[in-house]
Amino acid sequence: DAGVIQSPRHEVTEMGQEVTLRCKPISGHNSLFWYRQTMMRGLELLIYFNNNVPIDDSGMPEDRFSAKMPNASFSTLKIQPSEPRDSAVYFCASSPLRDSSNYGYTFGSGTRLTVV
Amino acid sequence: DAKTTQPPSMDCAEGRAANLPCNHSTISGNEYVYWYRQIHSQGPQYIIHGLKNNETNEMASLIITEDRKSSTLILPHATLRDTAVYYCGTNDYKLSFGAGTTVTVRA
Repeated sequence: DAGVIQSPRHEVTEMGQEVTLRCKPISGHNSLFWYRQTMMRGLELLIYFNNNVPIDDSGMPEDRFSAKMPNASFSTLKIQPSEPRDSAVYFCASSPLRDSSNYGYTFGSGTRLTVV
Repeated sequence: DAKTTQPPSMDCAEGRAANLPCNHSTISGNEYVYWYRQIHSQGPQYIIHGLKNNETNEMASLIITEDRKSSTLILPHATLRDTAVYYCGTNDYKLSFGAGTTVTVRA
């Protein structure tokens, strides 16, 4: 199993540009999570999906952030327009749907975003 | 989600057991306790989790107090490769992390 695959690994963009981060969960996993990690705030859950449906987006910082999961094997996190304070490492994780509170998440390697 | 509190850092001698504490005094009855670790800037790696009972796997042991307000992760024989940031978290329907403990294993 290739694990959770995220792309790109690194992204540098100018303020005001649109940024799209991508994630491919583990095959058969029905829950998908987007986290953001910064020095100041640590690991924060942004949004999670069950069976491609967004369940809780209370962690999404503002309307500039949006996430989609068009099918079971692909999700995107988009920031439009991007700002320097969005600079962080963004992680995607997946888990089997069945009682996901009793099953560990598998994290991807992350996307390091730098907005200049 | 329960808030977790961990010491910011700790040192451990190679070959010795490392005991990592975590407080989660506001944990609810159906929240699991989870431990992950993060090496350099890699994604967090699952270690172990539990609800009430103590748990053991090939990586570590988890001791949860009877009132469930705190737990301890035990790395039985720490190696240099165990140097990492260790996160305690809780999960009812979503996983929330604490600030983590930076563990440095010294030769």
